[in-house]
Amino acid sequence: GQNIDQPTEMTATEGAIVQINCTYQTSGFNGLFWYQQHAGEAPTFLSYNVLDGLEEKGRFSSFLSRSKGYSYLLLKELQMKDSASYLCAVRDSNYQLIWGAGTKLIIKP
Amino acid sequence: DVKVTQSSRYLVKRTGEKVFLECVQDMDHENMFWYRQDPGLGLRLIYFSYDVKMKEKGDIPEGYSVSREKKERFSLILESASTNQTSMYLCASGTRLDYNEQFFGPGTRLTVL
Repeated sequence: GQNIDQPTEMTATEGAIVQINCTYQTSGFNGLFWYQQHAGEAPTFLSYNVLDGLEEKGRFSSFLSRSKGYSYLLLKELQMKDSASYLCAVRDSNYQLIWGAGTKLIIKP
Repeated sequence: DVKVTQSSRYLVKRTGEKVFLECVQDMDHENMFWYRQDPGLGLRLIYFSYDVKMKEKGDIPEGYSVSREKKERFSLILESASTNQTSMYLCASGTRLDYNEQFFGPGTRLTVL
């Protein structure tokens, strides 16, 4: 079966750095996505990785290792507005997105 | 900015009722999707469409149908609502040329009593 695993909840302090991990087992791989979803709102696109390595976009970076079936989202200089759920999704061989359950990130002052 | 709108933010229906959820996007996207989101589970694809009058079943199509008569509009229909269809329903759209991103609507929280 296809499976995306990510921690259910994480807590971090304002100004700090947090890493949210995602491991996947899917039938084929055509890219990995990270989305941010604030409570009661729609998910919004953060990043896309299809090749191994690190993609940096401002305070957010995403890393991919295809051989390990592993990705992480790195958030630096955390702000209170970063409190949200972070969704990992993998596009499989049929170009369909398989979604993880999401990681709820709580930021404390 | 891409805008995806859904007809209702909150909806309460009774078991057995027919329910229509409407989604409209304003960016001329070919692809449109309907998901449901439940606590502790990832987004699950119900149906998707790559073009007008075209539909494909997703992972959990049972109890649902869809309609896409116009490119900008994708409707989800619950023929006879049941309590296990109480959920958050999210519509998304994306362009075929840039398959990297889906744009989501604000969601409809449906409660079936």
